[in-house]
Amino acid sequence: KAGVTQTPRYLIKTRGQQVTLSCSPISGHRSVSWYQQTPGQGLQFLFEYFSETQRNKGNFPGRFSGRQFSNSRSEMNVSTLELGDSALYLCASSPGTSGGRTDTQYFGPGTRLTVL
Amino acid sequence: AQSVTQPDIHITVSEGASLELRCNYSYGATPYLFWYVQSPGQGLQLLLKYFSGDTLVQGIKGFEAEFKRSQSSFNLRKPSVHWSDAAEYFCAARKDAGGTSYGKLTFGQGTILTVHP
Repeated sequence: KAGVTQTPRYLIKTRGQQVTLSCSPISGHRSVSWYQQTPGQGLQFLFEYFSETQRNKGNFPGRFSGRQFSNSRSEMNVSTLELGDSALYLCASSPGTSGGRTDTQYFGPGTRLTVL
Repeated sequence: AQSVTQPDIHITVSEGASLELRCNYSYGATPYLFWYVQSPGQGLQLLLKYFSGDTLVQGIKGFEAEFKRSQSSFNLRKPSVHWSDAAEYFCAARKDAGGTSYGKLTFGQGTILTVHP
């Protein structure tokens, strides 16, 4: 099976702009989670989607949003970019079965966002 | 608050030496536990996981981890390190419950492994 894919791999934006990142999960996986990775804060959970519904979210401002489509592909959007949003954004997919209790997350290569 | 701690920021070992990376967790109940590895510029690759049962878990690339409930630890080990093991290693945990546990892994700060020839 193909792994998790993320596009684009690299992005450069300026402050105040918005950006959309895309994630295609492993075939058959219905849960998609997003994480932000920075040197200072490490890996932090953004949100999780399952069957087009956000089931969980982390402690990020409302500028960070996401959605999931019927084919399980997911996008995340960051509006009004700030310098501190520069990070590696990782997407992970999992089957989402059994109520997610024994789910294992498989990560994509990430999108490196640089905000100037 | 739930947390995962990796006490060692950076570890250096010689090729062929044994390795142990430490991980401690703080949760109300035993969480599900994972180890991931990240090479520079890459995503995270799953090494192994613990849900329940046998406390010694085998993973890929010759890694194993031992769950010790009494010490709230899940340390990663490898008997003989190869130069290709140089990377950053992350311990992660997730609650065994729905609601606020959906999809949410809590990660340690990571341990950078350097391997000397």
